[in-house]
Amino acid sequence: AQKVTQAQTEISVVEKEDVTLDCVYETRDTTYYLFWYKQPPSGELVFLIRRNSFDEQNEISGRYSWNFQKSTSSFNFTITASQVVDSAVYFCALSEENYGQNFVFGPGTRLSVLP
Amino acid sequence: DTAVSQTPKYLVTQMGNDKSIKCEQNLGHDTMYWYKQDSKKFLKIMFSYNNKELIINETVPNRFSPKSPDKAHLNLHINSLELGDSAVYFCASSVLGGRSPLHFGNGTRLTVT
Repeated sequence: AQKVTQAQTEISVVEKEDVTLDCVYETRDTTYYLFWYKQPPSGELVFLIRRNSFDEQNEISGRYSWNFQKSTSSFNFTITASQVVDSAVYFCALSEENYGQNFVFGPGTRLSVLP
Repeated sequence: DTAVSQTPKYLVTQMGNDKSIKCEQNLGHDTMYWYKQDSKKFLKIMFSYNNKELIINETVPNRFSPKSPDKAHLNLHINSLELGDSAVYFCASSVLGGRSPLHFGNGTRLTVT
């Protein structure tokens, strides 16, 4: 069955530090999609990135980067030179190609970036 | 040009009342969802509709009844509200198949007193 684990409940860093948020998933499908969402204190859920199971290339977008490793079923998210505005709850999510109606979310990691 | 809009943003009501939350999307998506986020921030799917047809119905009390008049709308009606229903409810939409990310509304914070 689908499952997403984010073992880090809360992380605190000081501004300009790098931080990595871990995500481990379980799936029964060979084709699946992984996502990261950000939920800032204002409460909305913001889509950050999607990766599909056939594309293990790492991705970088500004200060954000994602490391996808099928061998360890992980899809980790790194923020470089963190800023106070990065403070939010971050969710990793999984959907399966053949069961695509159901997106399963991890429990979230609350990131606090201190000035 | 809001993509997924849900109303109201806040809903405060007493136990035993019936209330509705409305959701509309203008993204042309064929699938809509309701998620519940509890006080610990867990996001759990409640329902999913594809082209007005129910495709996911998780173990949700039958006091919750979704209604999809067309593929751009998915409303949530809740009967006999209980204290435990207090949460933030998010509407979302996507294209069916798992590839398309969910686009969320801004949420409705329901408080039952």
